[in-house]
Amino acid sequence: EAQVTQNPRYLITVTGKKLTVTCSQNMNHEYMSWYRQDPGLGLRQIYYSMNVEVTDKGDVPEGYKVSRKEKRNFPLILESPSPNQTSLYFCASSRQGGTGELFFGEGSRLTVL
Amino acid sequence: AQSVTQLGSHVSVSEGALVLLRCNYSSSVPPYLFWYVQYPNQGLQLLLKYTSAATLVKGINGFEAEFKKSETSFHLTKPSAHMSDAAEYFCAVRPSSGSARQLTFGSGTQLTVLP
Repeated sequence: EAQVTQNPRYLITVTGKKLTVTCSQNMNHEYMSWYRQDPGLGLRQIYYSMNVEVTDKGDVPEGYKVSRKEKRNFPLILESPSPNQTSLYFCASSRQGGTGELFFGEGSRLTVL
Repeated sequence: AQSVTQLGSHVSVSEGALVLLRCNYSSSVPPYLFWYVQYPNQGLQLLLKYTSAATLVKGINGFEAEFKKSETSFHLTKPSAHMSDAAEYFCAVRPSSGSARQLTFGSGTQLTVLP
């Protein structure tokens, strides 16, 4: 089954404690991206990757890091989480070219106390 | 530059009534347009897309949308709402000559279906 898998789905942590949200896709997609969803703001792009070892900042990259060492994986790293990073996070992937429709993971709800 | 405006952050309809969710876009180049749906505790999934073929696009679960260039609109409709349609709906736009990187989402419309 084609899917994008995120872990963990739910996480409560404290300010400053490093965490990683993993994302894996099994569709051999070149493009992967992280979004955060906040009420009234829709989805905002954090980072994206056009292919292995190629990553770039989206619209709200501050406080986040990513890496793309393998095509299927695109982890999101919060080195020192702060309360304003409390949000719902989505990983998405897409085939390069074509209509570029995104396939989304089920989301990771993060609370930073 | 491009942008998407979804009119109405919350829409309520009765079961069996027409569903109309509004989306207006701004784009300096021919666009591709998308509607995504997000059910509670799930990720977004594609409902339908416009990619410069037919202007009336049919999607899953009985939804359709019409691309109107003169009105810069891509409204989503369904003739008869079901309880299972309750969800949040997102309109999105990107340049037809661009990539997924350039996808811009609207702020979403929460659809409530009343019994």
